[in-house]
Amino acid sequence: EAGVAQSPRYKIIEKRQSVAFWCNPISGHATLYWYQQILGQGPKLLIQFQNNGVVDDSQLPKDRFSAERLKGVDSTLKIQPAKLEDSAVYLCASSLFVSGGGHEQFFGPGTRLTVL
Amino acid sequence: AQSVTQPDIHITVSEGASLELRCNYSYGATPYLFWYVQSPGQGLQLLLKYFSGDTLVQGIKGFEAEFKRSQSSFNLRKPSVHWSDAAEYFCAVGPGDGNKLVFGAGTILRVKS
Repeated sequence: EAGVAQSPRYKIIEKRQSVAFWCNPISGHATLYWYQQILGQGPKLLIQFQNNGVVDDSQLPKDRFSAERLKGVDSTLKIQPAKLEDSAVYLCASSLFVSGGGHEQFFGPGTRLTVL
Repeated sequence: AQSVTQPDIHITVSEGASLELRCNYSYGATPYLFWYVQSPGQGLQLLLKYFSGDTLVQGIKGFEAEFKRSQSSFNLRKPSVHWSDAAEYFCAVGPGDGNKLVFGAGTILRVKS
């Protein structure tokens, strides 16, 4: 079974530029998550999708971050304009709800963003 | 507010020695607890989870964790560490459906031969 795919793996940009990350979840997984992991910290949930609808985006800085999940499969996360403090690893995860077991989240390898 | 504290940023153990990684949580309802491992350049992998029932949970790769409600702890253990266990370990807490996880800052495990 193929895992969660993310691209690019690495990205370096200057502040005020824009950037986009792509995620392809595990086939059949209805729930998709984007996390931000700053160096030395644990992952922080930015946004959660159920199919192509947003379930939770309470921690997404909406003035600069946006995300979409067209057709309930792939997703993109965009930052415009980027700030220095956006330097982090952006993780995508997907899950399938199992009755009695809840969601088990499967994570992609992440995109490491450096903002100069 | 819910939170997770992993007191140890780094831990170094000798190969073959036992391991215990500490995790303390704060959660307003019944906690559902998770341990994930992250190898360099890789995503997080679920080691084990506690939802209810037996407070000693077995996971993959020979790991186990014990839930202690009175101490608000969910420590991860392994009786004999292998060099391949070197990685970063994250404890997380969340609701029973597995969504909206709150992660600790992680503990980096180094294994010396």
